[in-house]
Amino acid sequence: DGGITQSPKYLFRKEGQNVTLSCEQNLNHDAMYWYRQDPGQGLRLIYYSQIVNDFQKGDIAEGYSVSREKKESFPLTVTSAQKNPTAFYLCASTKTGYTGELFFGEGSRLTVL
Amino acid sequence: RKEVEQDPGPFNVPEGATVAFNCTYSNSASQSFFWYRQDCRKEPKLLMSVYSSGNEDGRFTAQLNRASQYISLLIRDSKLSDSATYLCVVTTTSGTYKYIFGTGTRLKVLA
Repeated sequence: DGGITQSPKYLFRKEGQNVTLSCEQNLNHDAMYWYRQDPGQGLRLIYYSQIVNDFQKGDIAEGYSVSREKKESFPLTVTSAQKNPTAFYLCASTKTGYTGELFFGEGSRLTVL
Repeated sequence: RKEVEQDPGPFNVPEGATVAFNCTYSNSASQSFFWYRQDCRKEPKLLMSVYSSGNEDGRFTAQLNRASQYISLLIRDSKLSDSATYLCVVTTTSGTYKYIFGTGTRLKVLA
């Protein structure tokens, strides 16, 4: 079955450490997105990519980095520069140029100790 | 003003009730509209797209009012399993398609 796989599902990190969240899709989608969700808030866009080797900052990119070396993969690194990284992180994808359904992975819950 | 606004609720309704949510958006050039459902600590899942002519899927009806810039979701004959947060999503195009999420409306259906 096609879908988006995020890993790990739960991650604990000490302050000052970088962590990388994995996102892999086999839907053959061109566009991929990373969102952050905090309690009581809507999803906020961190980074997005419409094509391999290209990505754009979203609304809250500071303290995060991404890469898009393969169509299927869009990993997110939460760096030590991110002041409040504890959150629920969601990866999503959709076909470029198609304002249709945004497909989500199951999410990664990051807790900074 | 937020780009997409929803009443956070919670809306507490008895089983079998009809409940309606509204969502307003600020950008008149918005293109596509969706309702997503999100269960606690899970990812959002598409409930339905919203078309200009309105659309219905079983107990769920979605409508779009471009003149007043809002979309609505009506749930008839509420079930316990309808308890969730309902997210309004709007897309705009500014070089790329951008999905903008409301904060969600929480629904609790009570036995």
